[in-house]
Amino acid sequence: EVQLVQSGAEVKKPGESLKISCKASGYSFTSYWIDWVRQMPGKGLEWMGSIYPGDSDTRYSPSFQGQVTISADRSSGTAYLQWSSLQASDTAMYYCARLTFVYYDFWGHGTLVTVSS
Amino acid sequence: EIVLTQSPGTLSLSPGETATLSCRASQSVSSSTLAWYRQKPGQAPRLLIYGSSSRATGIPDRFSGSGSGTDFTLTISRLEPEDFAVYYCQQYGSSGGTFGQGTKVEIK
Repeated sequence: EVQLVQSGAEVKKPGESLKISCKASGYSFTSYWIDWVRQMPGKGLEWMGSIYPGDSDTRYSPSFQGQVTISADRSSGTAYLQWSSLQASDTAMYYCARLTFVYYDFWGHGTLVTVSS
Repeated sequence: EIVLTQSPGTLSLSPGETATLSCRASQSVSSSTLAWYRQKPGQAPRLLIYGSSSRATGIPDRFSGSGSGTDFTLTISRLEPEDFAVYYCQQYGSSGGTFGQGTKVEIK
């Protein structure tokens, strides 16, 4: 059974760093892209970027380029999304999703990130 | 960059009725790259339709997708309580994933 299990909710202060995770199981981790999607409170879905764990090829939306870093650890089957300096505007739910061809067939349950002073 | 525009923003219907949701692309896209998702409150999105008209695993035949070029439609027949949710269309291209802004189907 394919599963994407995300790390738990986080509460951070502005300026702090953060790394959230998405652990994959039930399939070959290195054979599919993993994407990250942001959903701000009460808003729609925004594509942030992708990583192909097989060779660590990474792509970013222009809106998020330079703001976040996407990485993956093949040994643990885990993808990561990290920030070096959070802002209040980063408050959102973040989903990881497996990309099959050109659609997302499996999603993580989401990680809620709250940034507040 | 392709922009997806969904309409209407909100659809008010009763259980048992049919919902017709539209997704318009700012330029022609391959129908093989168009997908639809349902997001219930407090849950992650779930894939409903891929390749503009193929139902995902476990999705009942009440859901159907159609369209080509710039105009795509999701039709939900015989609305059931779990269908009252937000629906997103999505297209994947050279710029990565793009989502429409969503259509909320609410109980009338």
